[in-house]
Amino acid sequence: GAGVSQSPSNKVTEKGKDVELRCDPISGHTALYWYRQSLGQGLEFLIYFQGNSAPDKSGLPSDRFSAERTGGSVSTLTIQRTQQEDSAVYLCASSTRGGGGEQFFGPGTRLTVL
Amino acid sequence: RKEVEQDPGPFNVPEGATVAFNCTYSNSASQSFFWYRQDCRKEPKLLMSVYSSGNEDGRFTAQLNRASQYISLLIRDSKLSDSATYLCVVNSPGNTGKLIFGQGTTLQVKP
Repeated sequence: GAGVSQSPSNKVTEKGKDVELRCDPISGHTALYWYRQSLGQGLEFLIYFQGNSAPDKSGLPSDRFSAERTGGSVSTLTIQRTQQEDSAVYLCASSTRGGGGEQFFGPGTRLTVL
Repeated sequence: RKEVEQDPGPFNVPEGATVAFNCTYSNSASQSFFWYRQDCRKEPKLLMSVYSSGNEDGRFTAQLNRASQYISLLIRDSKLSDSATYLCVVNSPGNTGKLIFGQGTTLQVKP
């Protein structure tokens, strides 16, 4: 069956521009997570969705970052006024449930801010 | 102090060798533990969960010591295809499923 998909796979943008990253989770997975992986860093948690609500946004690094999920399915991560330190691979994962079910990761979006 | 700490390596071993990776975690309330594998420029994939009683999957054995807050992964009879980064992962306490990742240990198996 189809796994988690993300788009675009690569995004190059100029400092100060806004970007939107999309995640399509596995059908039927109610839990959705965003992580990012910077060069030389481990993966860091950004936000968790259960259905359309986000009970844990504790990992969003600043108010330039926001995310939403609609229809209990697709999620969009938006970064406003991008900075060079936002350059990273943004990974989305989904799970049949929150709280410990196996998380399946998408291929990621590689964001480069010039 | 990082929540999950691993020796980044790299570990360079010959085919057939046995190699062990270690990991420590800081939050004693953590309940679930995993090893993920990440190939170069790919997404992480679950290798195995780690249980207190220890568990084995073919050539891979994982151990958890809750008292020491220590997790290990043993790979026996290394194959070239085992070359990857191995991520020690801990589920953050609470009910969200949020994962805390170590920085990963890089393994290179050579012919």
